[in-house]
Amino acid sequence: DGGITQSPKYLFRKEGQNVTLSCEQNLNHDAMYWYRQDPGQGLRLIYYSQIVNDFQKGDIAEGYSVSREKKESFPLTVTSAQKNPTAFYLCASSKLGLAGGTNTGELFFGEGSRLTVL
Amino acid sequence: AQKVTQAQTEISVVEKEDVTLDCVYETRDTTYYLFWYKQPPSGELVFLIRRNSFDEQNEISGRYSWNFQKSTSSFNFTITASQVVDSAVYFCVHQGGQGAQKLVFGQGTRLTINP
Repeated sequence: DGGITQSPKYLFRKEGQNVTLSCEQNLNHDAMYWYRQDPGQGLRLIYYSQIVNDFQKGDIAEGYSVSREKKESFPLTVTSAQKNPTAFYLCASSKLGLAGGTNTGELFFGEGSRLTVL
Repeated sequence: AQKVTQAQTEISVVEKEDVTLDCVYETRDTTYYLFWYKQPPSGELVFLIRRNSFDEQNEISGRYSWNFQKSTSSFNFTITASQVVDSAVYFCVHQGGQGAQKLVFGQGTRLTINP
């Protein structure tokens, strides 16, 4: 089945360590996104990529890094510079372009990765 | 700047009751889209509906209906005859005219349907 796969589902990290969250999609979507979700809050955009080898900072990029070497993959690294990394991280993908016609503009989400810093 | 407000943090109803989730937005865009997403306990967000700013026609899909009123900047979501499977967090989302990177999420409403 087509979809987005995130791993690991749960991750524990000690302070000062970098961790990498995996996101793979087989929907043939050009655009991919990383969001952070904190309790009682909406999603906030960390990074997004519209094409291989290119990505842009979102609203809360500090302390995070990404790469987009393949269309299917968009891993997120949470670095030790991120002051408050404990959160739920969601990866998403979409077709490029504005919503309209057959393009609903919807994002397809993975099931998320919950990162806890000990 | 765009802003989406879902004033109801949590709603709890008994099964078969009707329930309305409120969404109010602020925008300077003349063209924009509004979405509702459902986040079940499994974690992934599921797309429910998209509305563009030029289409104020209400929509019904089974037990779900949406009321878009541009005059009050609201895009409310009603579930009729609620079921336990409707329990989830629901997000109202605004997308500006520059693509998905301009998505603004509301804080979400946690809906609990009790048997």
